[in-house]
Amino acid sequence: DGGITQSPKYLFRKEGQNVTLSCEQNLNHDAMYWYRQDPGQGLRLIYYSQIVNDFQKGDIAEGYSVSREKKESFPLTVTSAQKNPTAFYLCASSIEGSYYEQFFGPGTRLTVL
Amino acid sequence: GENVEQHPSTLSVQEGDSAVIKCTYSDSASNYFPWYKQELGKRPQLIIDIRSNVGEKKDQRIAVTLNKTAKHFSLHITETQPEDSAVYFCAASLTGFQKLVFGTGTRLLVSP
Repeated sequence: DGGITQSPKYLFRKEGQNVTLSCEQNLNHDAMYWYRQDPGQGLRLIYYSQIVNDFQKGDIAEGYSVSREKKESFPLTVTSAQKNPTAFYLCASSIEGSYYEQFFGPGTRLTVL
Repeated sequence: GENVEQHPSTLSVQEGDSAVIKCTYSDSASNYFPWYKQELGKRPQLIIDIRSNVGEKKDQRIAVTLNKTAKHFSLHITETQPEDSAVYFCAASLTGFQKLVFGTGTRLLVSP
């Protein structure tokens, strides 16, 4: 299960607060991704990055922001603009290219109080 | 953009039976189709994948078939075991793109 880690495992946030989720990988992967998982909706892509200092919006980027200053790290900030942030967030990484397995982290469960 | 539909949402089988999960995709340019398994409380993990130049791929008890004309692909699990119980996700992606579009998942329950 090593290689890609996420912290914290559980996170509680008050409405109106921004919160940052951590994702770190030591697999030397160029590409990294953030997904949101809700019951019955599968995994939906928030942002992805193919290389350091570059990232692209996924299908549900509104209310989220990311940075990719280092190859190993891809933090996700959930802003107060995200209307329904309570969800399970998964980070993943892969070798750059279309046919490579995405390795997932253990996830962070965010609850807005 | 690409859209992936997955059926059924829930599947219950008896141990030893076969299970089939089906997915359809909308973009005929998609050419990579992986399947991920997510056990309860754990992270998704790749179990098998297929590229568009192949019609079928098998790995022990699991197999995936692809029908490019109909734009659908299926996961087949034979001789199911209780440890096969999990949520299974299909996905599709386009050549040259990193994006995977996932289906909504199938919860498979294998009863002893």
